[in-house]
Amino acid sequence: NAGVTQTPKFRILKIGQSMTLQCTQDMNHNYMYWYRQDPGMGLKLIYYSVGAGITDKGEVPNGYNVSRSTTEDFPLRLELAAPSQTSVYFCASKDRDIGANVLTFGAGSRLTVL
Amino acid sequence: GENVEQHPSTLSVQEGDSAVIKCTYSDSASNYFPWYKQELGKRPQLIIDIRSNVGEKKDQRIAVTLNKTAKHFSLHITETQPEDSAVYFCAASTGSGYSTLTFGKGTMLLVSP
Repeated sequence: NAGVTQTPKFRILKIGQSMTLQCTQDMNHNYMYWYRQDPGMGLKLIYYSVGAGITDKGEVPNGYNVSRSTTEDFPLRLELAAPSQTSVYFCASKDRDIGANVLTFGAGSRLTVL
Repeated sequence: GENVEQHPSTLSVQEGDSAVIKCTYSDSASNYFPWYKQELGKRPQLIIDIRSNVGEKKDQRIAVTLNKTAKHFSLHITETQPEDSAVYFCAASTGSGYSTLTFGKGTMLLVSP
């Protein structure tokens, strides 16, 4: 049981380039989330999904896109990278059960845009 | 939407001392309040949580208290140890399956031997 797996762990992009951060979970969790973490700013929600085929914007969605074609995978797409997107990105998931609110986080992906 | 304020941003204590981190929230509908610990370079991990029908919860050296009237909750760590050094995040949500967590900005706790 690997939990939540993110790739890549590190990436350097040039301004204007595009890339996809991959996230997959093997816990059969319905809910998945993408957060970004900037120093001193906590965790900000980018996008989330409550099940395959359903996605919704979080607090800071501009410049990002997501898709959820399967229960397991929730990739985050950056179309035109900007220096403001330099951050650490965390994918997380949780069970649908109403009593199970615990988020399981991936190890994070550190992205630098130069 | 929900807004969570967390204080202090940094906290330095001596080993064995107690540490208290405080959070306030804005949405009176919030009823689930977890605390996550993030060690340097690692992922956040849940350490304790509390629901609004409970005023206090303890787990060994850590405890969380909740004051719904004042809309604030606190994390208490007793007998701190160097391995408690980390960033601690509070969060709030309405607790339903569809709800999302709103996090505070974090507190860096440094425990000196």
